[in-house]
Amino acid sequence: TQLLKQSPQFLSIQEGENLTVYCNSSSVFSSLQWYRQEPGEGPVLLVTVVTGGEVKKLKRLTFQFGDARKDSSLHITAAQTGDTGLYLCAGGSNYKLTFGKGTLLTVNP
Amino acid sequence: DTGVSQDPRHKITKRGQNVTFRCDPISEHNRLYWYRQTLGQGPEFLTYFQNEAQLEKSRLLSDRFSAERPKGSFSTLEIQRTEQGDSAMYLCASLSPGPLPLYNEQFFGPGTRLTVL
Repeated sequence: TQLLKQSPQFLSIQEGENLTVYCNSSSVFSSLQWYRQEPGEGPVLLVTVVTGGEVKKLKRLTFQFGDARKDSSLHITAAQTGDTGLYLCAGGSNYKLTFGKGTLLTVNP
Repeated sequence: DTGVSQDPRHKITKRGQNVTFRCDPISEHNRLYWYRQTLGQGPEFLTYFQNEAQLEKSRLLSDRFSAERPKGSFSTLEIQRTEQGDSAMYLCASLSPGPLPLYNEQFFGPGTRLTVL
């Protein structure tokens, strides 16, 4: 069974601070996605990483895929209140996604 | 709006009743997925279709659950004899066609929140 563990489970910070959340797997996935989910809504795709060591930037968000393609991190610079949400990582293989439990981020004004 | 849509957004039912949810995927996407998400958890895979064929079902999908995609477009998920433990968000997602479908970039609908009293 492929498992994805995300840490921390909860994170509460002040606006303007930087943060990093992590996604670690016991297995290799062919791709890894990061999603952001707001209460009562479906997850929204942020990024897909495929190649070991890959780094992708999306404005203030930086995503990194580990060399062994088993772990990933999401770094947010100068967090804003609009970044509040549940950040989910999902590993893809055989047309299926396996999700972690997510990191619930609260950015306080 | 050309995204994934789900109907209804919210459903409250009494234990023992049957409920049916609908999902309309992005029009050119031939793969459609159903997930269930409970509080504090990530989405859990239930089943998926390629066109009208149901290719895989999770062990989470008990015999009270049935999903269909009769014409390879929209899909329905029915839960018979609902139980309180069925209360959850039911999410639908779709994926574009092709042997290497954009690395599993599934696009999700807004979900149907089911509450069983």
